Amino acid sequence: AQKVTQAQTEISVVEKEDVTLDCVYETRDTTYYLFWYKQPPSGELVFLIRRNSFDEQNEISGRYSWNFQKSTSSFNFTITASQVVDSAVYFCALSGAFSGGYNKLIFGAGTRLAVHP
Amino acid sequence: DADVTQTPRNRITKTGKRIMLECSQTKGHDRMYWYRQDPGLGLRLIYYSFDVKDINKGEISDGYSVSRQAQAKFSLSLESAIPNQTALYFCATSVQGRSSYNEQFFGPGTRLTVL
Repeated sequence: AQKVTQAQTEISVVEKEDVTLDCVYETRDTTYYLFWYKQPPSGELVFLIRRNSFDEQNEISGRYSWNFQKSTSSFNFTITASQVVDSAVYFCALSGAFSGGYNKLIFGAGTRLAVHP
Repeated sequence: DADVTQTPRNRITKTGKRIMLECSQTKGHDRMYWYRQDPGLGLRLIYYSFDVKDINKGEISDGYSVSRQAQAKFSLSLESAIPNQTALYFCATSVQGRSSYNEQFFGPGTRLTVL
């Protein structure tokens, strides 16, 4: 089965705390892509990152970092020194040949992050 | 101007009514998609189109139909709306390129309420 699990439904933190959003995936593909999207309260979907299955290097972009571990089928997202503007729903997604094709995304249920002042 | 636009942005309708949601893009992409978002379920694919003559069902196509009027336009229709079609609907586009996967760009969403 091709599946993305975001076990954390909601997370609440105080500003400046670090927070990690978990994403676990299942796939039969040997080549696949993983994504994170942000959905702020305004509702639009904002692309954050794409990672292919052959690249296990962690990535850092400002306060955001991503930890991809094929051994545990996880692609976790950490926000360092969280800010109120980080409050949003975050989606992890997967695409691959057996997931219906590379242009079809399978989304997790999302994690709602609330950052309080 | 936004690259992917959706109209209307909000719509309230009654059970049994026919509804059309429209999506237009100026990105020049050949591939277009319709998703619906429900709380706790993430986004699920309804239909997708790889070009004007290619329409494919997604995960949850029952109760929906689509029309690709032009490369830049992809419409989603609910022939007879029912309350469990109340959701946030997203249109997305992508382009076939040299890499196996190309990023999908999402429209702002249409919030549909069926009473």
